[in-house]
Amino acid sequence: NAGVMQNPRHLVRRRGQEARLRCSPMKGHSHVYWYRQLPEEGLKFMVYLQKENIIDESGMPKERFSAEFPKEGPSILRIQQVVRGDSAAYFCASSPSGQGMNTEAFFGQGTRLTVV
Amino acid sequence: QKEVEQDPGPLSVPEGAIVSLNCTYSNSAFQYFMWYRQYSRKGPELLMYTYSSGNKEDGRFTAQVDKSSKYISLFIRDSQPSDSATYLCAMRRPSNTGKLIFGQGTTLQVKP
Repeated sequence: NAGVMQNPRHLVRRRGQEARLRCSPMKGHSHVYWYRQLPEEGLKFMVYLQKENIIDESGMPKERFSAEFPKEGPSILRIQQVVRGDSAAYFCASSPSGQGMNTEAFFGQGTRLTVV
Repeated sequence: QKEVEQDPGPLSVPEGAIVSLNCTYSNSAFQYFMWYRQYSRKGPELLMYTYSSGNKEDGRFTAQVDKSSKYISLFIRDSQPSDSATYLCAMRRPSNTGKLIFGQGTTLQVKP
């Protein structure tokens, strides 16, 4: 039973390029969450998605960042026109449903984005 | 003021010691409390999961929640070098499964 799969594990982009981060949730999980971890900081919530719906994007920067979770395929976190401050580890988590006690989220190994 | 405060450490202990890790929080709406372990350059791994106040034990790990004081703890008994990692507390409201609010994380080193 594969866990949450993220790719690529490492991504290097030049300033101004686009970064696409992919997340395949655990089998049977239909809820996906993206977090960002800056150096020496804890994880910060970015966005919560279900299939074809954005449920909560209160942690997403207003510009350049977008996320989707299509009916088929992985969830994508897209960062347009990257800047050096976007360099961080981006983690995806998934859960089988959105509410209730037994629906804790499981994390992937992360994508480490470096902007040069 | 951060919603969740956690001493970043680092914390260094000898093998076999009892380790106490703590977090305080300000939002009384939090009902679910978690501890994650994160090894260097890896994803967070769920260790303990507690609802409301009380204690929960799992092997060498014990989680405590004191909602009246807005204070949670993780105790590690008979600590091992393999416990060396960053420990993150996290919490959430009942209606938000994945929207976890994390502490900064405490880096623990257990020396042989």
